[in-house]
Amino acid sequence: KQEVTQIPAALSVPEGENLVLNCSFTDSAIYNLQWFRQDPGKGLTSLLLIQSSQREQTSGRLNASLDKSSGRSTLYIAASQPGDSATYLCAASNSNSGYALNFGKGTSLLVTP
Amino acid sequence: NAGVMQNPRHLVRRRGQEARLRCSPMKGHSHVYWYRQLPEEGLKFMVYLQKENIIDESGMPKERFSAEFPKEGPSILRIQQVVRGDSAAYFCASSPGDEQYFGPGTRLTVT
Repeated sequence: KQEVTQIPAALSVPEGENLVLNCSFTDSAIYNLQWFRQDPGKGLTSLLLIQSSQREQTSGRLNASLDKSSGRSTLYIAASQPGDSATYLCAASNSNSGYALNFGKGTSLLVTP
Repeated sequence: NAGVMQNPRHLVRRRGQEARLRCSPMKGHSHVYWYRQLPEEGLKFMVYLQKENIIDESGMPKERFSAEFPKEGPSILRIQQVVRGDSAAYFCASSPGDEQYFGPGTRLTVT
């Protein structure tokens, strides 16, 4: 069974800093990996999807990498802004489990002005 | 293209009542997933459906819970005889086969 872990659980940084969120998974036979953002009391917004054949994806100030051999993914946020404050969730799917997403518990990010 | 729609957004039920949660996938998406987020816990997969078929229900409790995705209309997650432990946010996601897109969720409170 795929287990996903996210470190740190919480992170506070001053505005403008670059930061890295970490995600690890136990089963390297993943189908894809998605990073989401969740605001308090809200749904999930998909940020980036990395297919198993890819090493990284970029969207604006966000860059996500995938290393299947080590079971790790990172989400890099450049030039952080207070509006980036949210919980960031990493989720991995496996083709042998119907592509259902296995979620980590998230990293709660606070960017202070 | 409207996003994934869920209703109601908030639902209050007394213990023993039934809860029906609805999910309308994005246009053109034939895959629907249901997830549950318990307080202070991560999201957990419940069930994966395609039109008129349950593909994987390994994450759904064996009793009181059922799901369907009929040929016409939204997907329904049904919880019979709700208990306080069913209080949670229930999220639906739809997919064209790859990336999953989530709805805003239904927050169920059992009193």
